Amino acid sequence: EAGVTQFPSHSVIEKGQTVTLRCDPISGHDNLYWYRRVMGKEIKFLLHFVKESKQDESGMPNNRFLAERTGGTYSTLKVQPAELEDSGVYFCASSQDQPLRDRTDTQYFGPGTRLTVL
Amino acid sequence: SQQGEEDPQALSIQEGENATMNCSYKTSINNLQWYRQNSGRGLVHLILIRSNEREKHSGRLRVTLDTSKKSSSLLITASRAADTASYFCATPLSGSARQLTFGSGTQLTVLP
Repeated sequence: EAGVTQFPSHSVIEKGQTVTLRCDPISGHDNLYWYRRVMGKEIKFLLHFVKESKQDESGMPNNRFLAERTGGTYSTLKVQPAELEDSGVYFCASSQDQPLRDRTDTQYFGPGTRLTVL
Repeated sequence: SQQGEEDPQALSIQEGENATMNCSYKTSINNLQWYRQNSGRGLVHLILIRSNEREKHSGRLRVTLDTSKKSSSLLITASRAADTASYFCATPLSGSARQLTFGSGTQLTVLP
């Protein structure tokens, strides 16, 4: 079974440009998450999709970030315009749906996209 | 605010020795998970321990959970050079949210 895949693995762009990151979750996983690790700090949650709906986007830093998951399969995260502080590693994760009373869903992470904004 | 904090921040040991990493958290949880990140790669899920469990084993890994102290430990026995990585504990937020909150991680270096 294929794991979570992310594209590209690395992206170097200039401040003010636009970048789109893609995540393909494990097939059949309704839950899809975006996280990022900036400047060696802790990994922080960005948002959570259940199928195509945004369940929780409380971690999105500002309106320069736009995430979509059309059709409930792969997801994209667009940064427009990119700023220097957006540099970091962006992780995507997916999990199967679990009953709320048993929230032990394991989140499987992709390899991440390393974004460098110059 | 940061939910999990690992201790130590960095650990260097010789191959064959055991490595112990600790994690403390702030709020009540229903499970705690440990992940590993090798340099330049993604996060790999190692083990999940539920709040009603005190100890769990998986291969050379042993995880303990003390909910009264809000702490967990990860023990890697008979370490190998390939165990060199960053190790993170993660806990889900309370309520219905499924997001994980990560600590800052322990960088483990196993010297051959």
